[in-house]
This record gives sequence, C-alpha cells and structure tokens, in this order.
Amino acid sequence: GAGVSQSPSNKVTEKGKDVELRCDPISGHTALYWYRQRLGQGLEFLIYFQGNSAPDKSGLPSDRFSAERTGESVSTLTIQRTQQEDSAVYLCASSLRDRGLLITEAFFGQGTRLTVV
Amino acid sequence: GQQLNQSPQSMFIQEGEDVSMNCTSSSIFNTWLWYKQDPGEGPVLLIALYKAGELTSNGRLTAQFGITRKDSFLNISASIPSDVGIYFCAATNYGGSQGNLIFGKGTKLSVKP
Repeated sequence: GAGVSQSPSNKVTEKGKDVELRCDPISGHTALYWYRQRLGQGLEFLIYFQGNSAPDKSGLPSDRFSAERTGESVSTLTIQRTQQEDSAVYLCASSLRDRGLLITEAFFGQGTRLTVV
Repeated sequence: GQQLNQSPQSMFIQEGEDVSMNCTSSSIFNTWLWYKQDPGEGPVLLIALYKAGELTSNGRLTAQFGITRKDSFLNISASIPSDVGIYFCAATNYGGSQGNLIFGKGTKLSVKP
C-alpha cells in the first residue's frame, strides 16, 4: 500500500486477555518503530526493528509486551494479560534506510486504539 | 536515557500571529524531525533536518537544526486556524543500532478564545 497500515483500528478487550496488533509498513522500508500514546500524552517508544539487526527493545514496559517482525515486512505487537493501564493508542511507523546508513524520516500509521475494560 | 525537552507545552494563537517552539537535549543527534498530530490521526511529518546549522522551510513553516546538534526550533508564520494541533519534535542518530527515534512531549497549539 501507499502508507503504513495498522489493524485493527480499534480494539476493546477484557482485562487479562491477550491482544495482537498488526503493522504493515511502507513497502521497501527497512526500519519499523512501535510507540504508545496515552490520552493527551506524547509518544512513548516501545521497540525498533532495523533490517536483520537485533531489535532495540529498550522501551518495552514489561515482559507482557513483545513484538516480532517478519523480514522487512509485517510486524506484530503482542500484549499478554492486558491491564487497564495498557489502554492507549499504539502507533507504528516505518522509514527507509539507504546504503549510506542514513535513516530518513519515519511515516506513521493511524494507530490502533486499545481499550482494556 | 536520551530525552527531548520540548517547550512550550501549550500555547494559544490568534490568526496571523507567528509561533515558535523548540526542543533541546543533552545528547547529540544527527537528525531532527518535526511532526504535527491532529486528533485521531497518526503524526504527519512536517520538516526533516539532517545537517547541523541547517535551516529548512516548508511553506509557512521554518525549522533549524542547532549548530551544537543538541537542539532544534520550529517557527510558524502568519498562523491560521488549521495550524491548531499538537506538534512534536523527534530526533535520532543513524548508523548501527542507534536508529531509535525519540520524541518530545509535544506542544499543543490552540486558538485564542
């Protein structure tokens, strides 16, 4: 597609259930980022994938959070045993890394709004 | 960890006024980016800066990459109602595993009542 696509756009889940959020980056983009944005707050970094390098997981808030990426395509963010504090918009972004190792601007999807009840 | 300090947190604008916001850090970055976020949408890139001292314009927007590589500012000239929203600065270093893109906490622009 032309832009970053995230699904679902909205997700309501019961406390304690697991959820999976999906991100389809822009075709050819090698870098992929996940962020969490609580209501009225800024973007909190979660995890970053770059090609075949080990992902930077330094932003994951607990071991209930994990993410995978298949090659340079789809990524899935999984939250296990969801808590009410996990309610937020989860944003995915992708960017292109050229042969000069320059990471150019990141483009965002519209996010998945997660509500834990 | 690395942090971006963005100010002001919020400001009110009257149509036609110029607006200025900035971001500072104790860390050095190779790339500074400015985004705007409207309600219910993901952030949209406004300007990208890649060289210390660089001054770049995009219509009524002007942004500069500070010479120390630790700061950046964004100016909006002759503001209009559709400028309201939340503006975020972001920064990163390229190369190796240092590609993490971090964000400031945002500057919320509202119309003066």
